[in-house]
Amino acid sequence: GQSLEQPSEVTAVEGAIVQINCTYQTSGFYGLSWYQQHDGGAPTFLSYNALDGLEETGRFSSFLSRSDSYGYLLLQELQMKDSASYFCAVRDRDDKIIFGKGTRLHILP
Amino acid sequence: KAGVTQTPRYLIKTRGQQVTLSCSPISGHRSVSWYQQTPGQGLQFLFEYFSETQRNKGNFPGRFSGRQFSNSRSEMNVSTLELGDSALYLCASSGAGTDYGYTFGSGTRLTVV
Repeated sequence: GQSLEQPSEVTAVEGAIVQINCTYQTSGFYGLSWYQQHDGGAPTFLSYNALDGLEETGRFSSFLSRSDSYGYLLLQELQMKDSASYFCAVRDRDDKIIFGKGTRLHILP
Repeated sequence: KAGVTQTPRYLIKTRGQQVTLSCSPISGHRSVSWYQQTPGQGLQFLFEYFSETQRNKGNFPGRFSGRQFSNSRSEMNVSTLELGDSALYLCASSGAGTDYGYTFGSGTRLTVV
């Protein structure tokens, strides 16, 4: 079956750096995406990696290793507003986007 | 420009009834996908439509169906509602190219009693 594994919860301190990992097992792979969802809100697109390496967008970076079927989202200079759930997602060979169950990020002041 | 619009925002239905949810994508987006979100289960793929054709379908029973109109607006229907269908139903639209990701609507919160 297809699966994306990510930690259910992560806690970090305001101003620090946190990494949220995602490993995937899917039929085909056409890119790893990350989404952020605040409580009561809609998921919003953060980043997309089609090739190995690091993509940086401001305080957020996303990394992909296709040989390891692994990626991560790195959040720097954490702010309280970053408290949210983060989902990794993979586009499979049928062109469906499959989401992980999400990682709830708690930020302590 | 306007985002993805889902109606209604909240809905309460009784077991056995049916429900229709609506989604208007971003202007120019021809792909619309539907997801069911429940606590602890993340977003589970229901189906995807492109230019009025269903491109993909997730592992949901036949009670879940959808369609897309020529203006790209989409509807999903759930018949014979069960308590377990209570969830947030999210619609997402995308334009050309996967790099841009999906833009989600705020969802329809369905409660089955």
